[in-house]
Amino acid sequence: DQQVKQNSPSLSVQEGRISILNCDYTNSMFDYFLWYKKYPAEGPTFLISISSIKDKNEDGRFTVFLNKSAKHLSLHIVPSQPGDSAVYFCAASSGRTDSWGKLQFGAGTQVVVTP
Amino acid sequence: ETGVTQTPRHLVMGMTNKKSLKCEQHLGHNAMYWYKQSAKKPLELMFVYNFKEQTENNSVPSRFSPECPNSSHLFLHLHTLQPEDSALYLCASSQQPGQEGTFGSGTRLTVV
Repeated sequence: DQQVKQNSPSLSVQEGRISILNCDYTNSMFDYFLWYKKYPAEGPTFLISISSIKDKNEDGRFTVFLNKSAKHLSLHIVPSQPGDSAVYFCAASSGRTDSWGKLQFGAGTQVVVTP
Repeated sequence: ETGVTQTPRHLVMGMTNKKSLKCEQHLGHNAMYWYKQSAKKPLELMFVYNFKEQTENNSVPSRFSPECPNSSHLFLHLHTLQPEDSALYLCASSQQPGQEGTFGSGTRLTVV
């Protein structure tokens, strides 16, 4: 049962434009959400996170939006740069002690930034 | 250098072999994890260790056996694997379970 879903396996965007990656979740107990970025032959690297007490978190070119009622979050990258071409994973976890460590990942979205 | 080192980077093993994957972190983190990434699938959490104690076994077959001798090292012992176990095995660590973690580069395992 996949609790975190990234329904777009790929996204192509022109350099300088905005990239919008979407993620949906089903478990209402999730209260902490993360985005990871992965280059080929490397492990995922942490990008940005958001707690359920917020609806927006911004870090430079990256902004994550959380819509709890819709169980939806999105990652905005603006402006997109060629170095942003990578696979982006959405992940979620619950602060409940019996869910420690159950970081659930989506299947990833491959972003390609074209010149 | 991500702070989490995994060896070997690539491993090819037969179904009757026994091998071990190694993970090492010197970030002072308390939690360590094994994840499996199969082609076109989400990362699957396999095991969680918190302060050297296993706190999560995500219904992983017994042919995968983790070991955490101290808070800096994590092993995954492999025996009698199946070809469908071929995948990228990622180790990660975090200050506390469920928080943003630091991943290693992974071991690409091929079972023949």
